[in-house]
Formats: sequence, structure tokens, C-alpha cells
Amino acid sequence: DVKVTQSSRYLVKRTGEKVFLECVQDMDHENMFWYRQDPGLGLRLIYFSYDVKMKEKGDIPEGYSVSREKKERFSLILESASTNQTSMYLCASSFRGEGSYEQYFGPGTRLTVT
Amino acid sequence: RKEVEQDPGPFNVPEGATVAFNCTYSNSASQSFFWYRQDCRKEPKLLMSVYSSGNEDGRFTAQLNRASQYISLLIRDSKLSDSATYLCVVTPYSNDYKLSFGAGTTVTVRA
Repeated sequence: DVKVTQSSRYLVKRTGEKVFLECVQDMDHENMFWYRQDPGLGLRLIYFSYDVKMKEKGDIPEGYSVSREKKERFSLILESASTNQTSMYLCASSFRGEGSYEQYFGPGTRLTVT
Repeated sequence: RKEVEQDPGPFNVPEGATVAFNCTYSNSASQSFFWYRQDCRKEPKLLMSVYSSGNEDGRFTAQLNRASQYISLLIRDSKLSDSATYLCVVTPYSNDYKLSFGAGTTVTVRA
């Protein structure tokens, strides 16, 4: 079974703090993704990585950065957390092959910024 | 305009009923289509892919209408365990691993 794990299920941080969200997958997937999910808005892509040290901006990258130093690990960084970054953050991974679009998700991290 | 739009529902149906709902997508160049299922407080999981000719997986039937740019999901003989949010998912461009997600349609099956 594919397993995607995220470092925390719940996180509470103060405005201005630097926040690290970690994601690890055990299926040797090339692609990894970070989304945020908000009511009524669905999942929105923040950043995407298709290989180690490679990254692409998604639809809402402002206020976020990412790091992919190892194939299995993809980190999301909030340089200076703000209250509008309170959300559910979901990490996902997938193979990079023709027709391989299925993404496997981690359990999510519910981040509250106060 | 959002890339993928869904009726949020909720659709409240009794056990054994049939429920169907659609989603529309804006990019006519979209190539691949899926339904994901998300249980309350859980992560999304792939339910089924949607093929041009339509496809069935047990009690679930998915259809694609490229001319009108919508996909549909029909659930027959609803079970309590079908209660979930169903996410319509589209690849907006060919050869691109990124997915565009709808906000979801909530289905609640009551006893």
C-alpha cells in the first residue's frame, strides 16, 4: 500500500512564526504536491515537485516555499505565518509516467495561525 | 471562472436510492477526468477514472460529455457508507501531472 505521511495532524502557530510542514512518501514517486483545502474552494495547488531539487509554482504560491532534498521528502515552509494561512494542508504524490495521474494523499495537517 | 465547478449539495438520500450529480469544466483541452472520494476529516482517494465511453464500477457509473464539458457520477442502491464528499478532478492540460479539483459534492445517505 502507498503511504504518504505528514509530520503533524494539528498545528497551532502564532502570526509571524516560521512553519515547516513535512511530507514523506514510501513508494518512490517522482511527483510530489502541496495543496491547501478550504471550505467552498476545494483543493488548491501551492507547489509541485517532479524531481529532487526541482519545484514549480502552483496556483497560490505566495507566502510559501518548498524544499525537496530527497526523493521521498517534500517540505512546505511558511516563512512568516499569517492568519489567512489557517487551513488544511494536504500533501500528495504520484508516479511520473504516461497516464499515471492518480495522486495519493497524506492525512493532512490542520494549521491554525493565531 | 473556476476550472472545475460542482453543485456543493448536500444531496440527502435514503438507503437504496439512486443519486446523480454533475460537474462542469472550463478547459476544452482537458484530457483526463476522475472522481475522488473524501470522507469526513479524511484525505481524498481515487474513486474512479472517467472514460469517454462511460464506465461502471459496481454501483457507480461515470459519464463524460465533451461537447458540453461536463462529467457525471451516478450511485445506484445507495449505502450508508457512500456518505462522503465527491470531488470532480480534471487534468487541465495534456501530459501534465497537475490536477484541478472541484470543491466537492456532499452526499448523505440516511437509514
